[in-house]
Amino acid sequence: EDQVTQSPEALRLQEGESSSLNCSYTVSGLRGLFWYRQDPGKGPEFLFTLYSAGEEKEKERLKATLTKKESFLHITAPKPEDSATYLCAVQAGSSYKLIFGSGTRLLVRP
Amino acid sequence: GAVVSQHPSWVICKSGTSVKIECRSLDFQATTMFWYRQFPKQSLMLMATSNEGSKATYEQGVEKDKFLINHASLTLSTLTVTSAHPEDSSFYICSAGAPAHNEQFFGPGTRLTVL
Repeated sequence: EDQVTQSPEALRLQEGESSSLNCSYTVSGLRGLFWYRQDPGKGPEFLFTLYSAGEEKEKERLKATLTKKESFLHITAPKPEDSATYLCAVQAGSSYKLIFGSGTRLLVRP
Repeated sequence: GAVVSQHPSWVICKSGTSVKIECRSLDFQATTMFWYRQFPKQSLMLMATSNEGSKATYEQGVEKDKFLINHASLTLSTLTVTSAHPEDSSFYICSAGAPAHNEQFFGPGTRLTVL
């Protein structure tokens, strides 16, 4: 069964304190791995898509990387406005369905 | 990124009534739309996948007769919660995608409260 596990469940950082979020996956034929940001009471906002091991993508203070078993979302010098829940999802095989992890709730304190 | 809208953003209804939620892709043609439900502090759970012009495919455990999905055009899908009960209260989110784009773009969500 296709599965996505995110860790940690919650993370508190001081402003400027860099860290990484983990997303490990077990799927049959990875089609793509996606990172989304979700603010309370809102829909997920698309951040990145990764397709193959070794791929990296960056956007402002965020950098996503992918291996054959997991993905990391690195946050460099975070600011309070980076506080949100970060969701990881995968597509497998020929399906366009997204299988979501449970998310990491990030709180960045000033 | 692509823009997806939902209407209404929140709705309160009495038990036993039906509620319709609209999902629109504003700047691209969405051949496939997805409907999710999210309970507090939980992740998104896929309810169904709808392709334009065909019947929706429901996930295991989701009642087809209770959650009616229509995808009549490439820019509009609707979810109707029939005979709503308090346990149907949740945050409903749609997403839209197209074969040329693996990414799904999400709407802002609809908060349904059934009294």
